[in-house]
Amino acid sequence: DIQVTQSPASLSASLGETVTIECRASEDIYSNLAWYQQKPGNSPQLLIYDANDLADGVPSRFSGSGSDTQYSLKINSLQSEDVASYFCQQYNNFPFTFGSGTKLEIK
Amino acid sequence: QVTLKESGPGILQPSQTLSLTCTFSGFSLSTYGLGVGWIRQPSGKGLEWLANIWWDDDKYFNPSLKVRLTISKDTSNNQAFLKITNVDTADTATYYCVRMNYGGSADYWGQGVMVTVSS
Repeated sequence: DIQVTQSPASLSASLGETVTIECRASEDIYSNLAWYQQKPGNSPQLLIYDANDLADGVPSRFSGSGSDTQYSLKINSLQSEDVASYFCQQYNNFPFTFGSGTKLEIK
Repeated sequence: QVTLKESGPGILQPSQTLSLTCTFSGFSLSTYGLGVGWIRQPSGKGLEWLANIWWDDDKYFNPSLKVRLTISKDTSNNQAFLKITNVDTADTATYYCVRMNYGGSADYWGQGVMVTVSS
């Protein structure tokens, strides 16, 4: 199985700040990576697919980048509604595997 | 508008078989490139991919659970199904049904169904 290491596990930032979450895969996943946002009490929602493509309806302050084994999710101009857990997922090989998640809070 | 909704027993006893149904609308599982997957999440924990079934009936299973999993679909009625045999307390989780696009990301999620395994 491809291991996906996500960091940090938790993050606290102020409104308007820019935050970055990272995922490292145990082997090259050729940009077959998605990011999901899960707000408290809700299902996860797709934010980014293919490492850097924004899903429909997702605000442009979210962006994804990376290649090979290293990927990141950046949130510009942090808003209160961005409080959530964020997960990355590789779909290059089955079984698809997820990062352990990052819990984002507002300072 | 794409929607998915999971249904299941809520609670069951160890060694029983868990049967889950995903009823969806807004797409067809006969459409090239689409699939339905099942993902679970124990309370307060991370996500685990269980299985998925594609438009052409191709199926993939998480090897850690493969011997216990069965996945199927009823294209005419817009439903997909997951069975997990011989459950134990470690199978207690919220189970999500998701639509998968050809690339493999889950672009739509159901609301999830909580399943508790307890004697």
